[in-house]
Amino acid sequence: GEDVEQSLFLSVREGDSSVINCTYTDSSSTYLYWYKQEPGAGLQLLTYIFSNMDMKQDQRLTVLLNKKDKHLSLRIADTQTGDSAIYFCAESMGAGNNRKLIWGLGTSLAVNP
Amino acid sequence: DAGVIQSPRHEVTEMGQEVTLRCKPISGHNSLFWYRQTMMRGLELLIYFNNNVPIDDSGMPEDRFSAKMPNASFSTLKIQPSEPRDSAVYFCASSQDGRPPYGYTFGSGTRLTVV
Repeated sequence: GEDVEQSLFLSVREGDSSVINCTYTDSSSTYLYWYKQEPGAGLQLLTYIFSNMDMKQDQRLTVLLNKKDKHLSLRIADTQTGDSAIYFCAESMGAGNNRKLIWGLGTSLAVNP
Repeated sequence: DAGVIQSPRHEVTEMGQEVTLRCKPISGHNSLFWYRQTMMRGLELLIYFNNNVPIDDSGMPEDRFSAKMPNASFSTLKIQPSEPRDSAVYFCASSQDGRPPYGYTFGSGTRLTVV
């Protein structure tokens, strides 16, 4: 069935690296996403990776994709207090007007000074 | 672009009252999604539209919930009658078919409290 799993909480010290992990179920997913939700706000697309890639780097963010294990991770280098938020992993399923995103429950990242 | 616009931002209503949530998607986006977010159940897809047509409403909790999209720039989610268990944050999101990476743009949400 459709399922995206993430750990619910992560706590790190300011300046350290954060790694948020996610597992998904659909091996045919074409895109996988990381969204960020700050308190009282909607979800914002942080980064994404196409399924034929195994790594994508964007400034402090590194996304790793292991298709064999259906495992996705988000690494935030030099984590800042402004990175405190909920991070959602999502996979894209279906095509055309049946395309939809399947979401994890979100990982709440707390950054301690 | 102003992004996805939802109104109201906050709504407090009494049990049994009708509640209408509104959404204006990004111009040119042809898919629109209504989500409900709670601590217990996370992000739940209620219904989504493609080219103003409802495609999947299997997430709508019960007949008290209804959604419409009369045109490409407006959608409503109505709850009648409302119940305390409907209290949640309701998000609207839109996306554009045929435009990878097919991610969604979310509105800021409507926080609904039913007392």
